[in-house]
Amino acid sequence: SAVISQKPSRDICQRGTSLTIQCQVDSQVTMMFWYRQQPGQSLTLIATANQGSEATYESGFVIDKFPISRPNLTFSTLTVSNMSPEDSSIYLCSVAPSVSTDTQYFGPGTRLTVL
Amino acid sequence: GQQLNQSPQSMFIQEGEDVSMNCTSSSIFNTWLWYKQDPGEGPVLLIALYKAGELTSNGRLTAQFGITRKDSFLNISASIPSDVGIYFCAGHSNFGNEKLTFGTGTRLTIIP
Repeated sequence: SAVISQKPSRDICQRGTSLTIQCQVDSQVTMMFWYRQQPGQSLTLIATANQGSEATYESGFVIDKFPISRPNLTFSTLTVSNMSPEDSSIYLCSVAPSVSTDTQYFGPGTRLTVL
Repeated sequence: GQQLNQSPQSMFIQEGEDVSMNCTSSSIFNTWLWYKQDPGEGPVLLIALYKAGELTSNGRLTAQFGITRKDSFLNISASIPSDVGIYFCAGHSNFGNEKLTFGTGTRLTIIP
């Protein structure tokens, strides 16, 4: 499976600011995804990061709040904009080596706390 | 939308005991996955199941893809302290929704 790293691993931010999270994979992958995991909860898909085009967002998530970039097949960023305490969560990127989106592998996550 | 119900929500067992947990869906899946998440880490894939009725093992872990394609089971034999964590099932369907749907999780605690 691919080796996935995320930066930062954790951060504490002030309300109203923005944070950009990076996801780096050690090999080219077809599909990359961003998930949110609120405290004590399961994983919720935010969006599919498409290489060279706009991300595909799930219901309840919008580009203005969670802009995503994917400039190549090994790297993606997620920005959490204009943060509020409700954005405090773990943000996870995942990859699927093939076009089929099953069998996803996850990065270590970014633990975000908004004060 | 699709929902995955996982049970039990939490388990408290003694080291050496066997563990069983399951995941049920209101709709059919083509793939079932089981992940384990340690505190402060991302989920790690344990077992992937691709065929109804399939029984797959990974060391002390055994998982089954239900015949109806609406459920899956995970068993852990002879539990050890490093088995502590949260176990998530996830299902994937090819019928119009190409997303992974995650279960609610089972938190496993081992009592010393």
